[in-house]
Amino acid sequence: ELKVEQNPLFLSMQEGKNYTIYCNYSTTSDRLYWYRQDPGKSLESLFVLLSNGAVKQEGRLMASLDTKARLSTLHITAAVHDLSATYFCAVDMWQTDKLIFGTGTRLQVFP
Amino acid sequence: KAGVTQTPRYLIKTRGQQVTLSCSPISGHRSVSWYQQTPGQGLQFLFEYFSETQRNKGNFPGRFSGRQFSNSRSEMNVSTLELGDSALYLCASSRRGPSSTDTQYFGPGTRLTVL
Repeated sequence: ELKVEQNPLFLSMQEGKNYTIYCNYSTTSDRLYWYRQDPGKSLESLFVLLSNGAVKQEGRLMASLDTKARLSTLHITAAVHDLSATYFCAVDMWQTDKLIFGTGTRLQVFP
Repeated sequence: KAGVTQTPRYLIKTRGQQVTLSCSPISGHRSVSWYQQTPGQGLQFLFEYFSETQRNKGNFPGRFSGRQFSNSRSEMNVSTLELGDSALYLCASSRRGPSSTDTQYFGPGTRLTVL
């Protein structure tokens, strides 16, 4: 059974600092996704990573994928308050839309 | 381009009742999936539909059912509601195909409260 683990579960960080969220998954998968969720809101797609070594960046967020290690990272550079949210990674079963989500990382950025 | 829409946005029911939730995917998207989100269990996959066919089903009891129509709109039904069914139900759509590199786009969700 495909399992996805994220750590840390909670992350409180000061503005301007850097940090990394880790996502491990238990079996091979077609692709890996990162989503953001604000309180009481739906999921917003951040990145889709399709192949080993893939790296994508958007603003202060950068995601990477190592399929051999079954590991993805979401790196936050010079955090700002607007990045406060819960971040989920997810992987899908081959050729399906069945997403298995990680537990989520609740990020809080304070001044 | 309109996003995924879900109706109703909020719903309050009592135990034993049944409920039907509706989802309209992004135009051109033929794949619709449903997820349940609770504080205790997180985000869990319910169903996936593609061209009116259920392709995958999550580990939920038979009280949870769904369907997809020819226009790709989808509904899910929960019968004999239990307190534990209180959750945010999210619908997602994609252009899923053999060579698709697209992500799934999520709707705003339906917040179901069972009293």
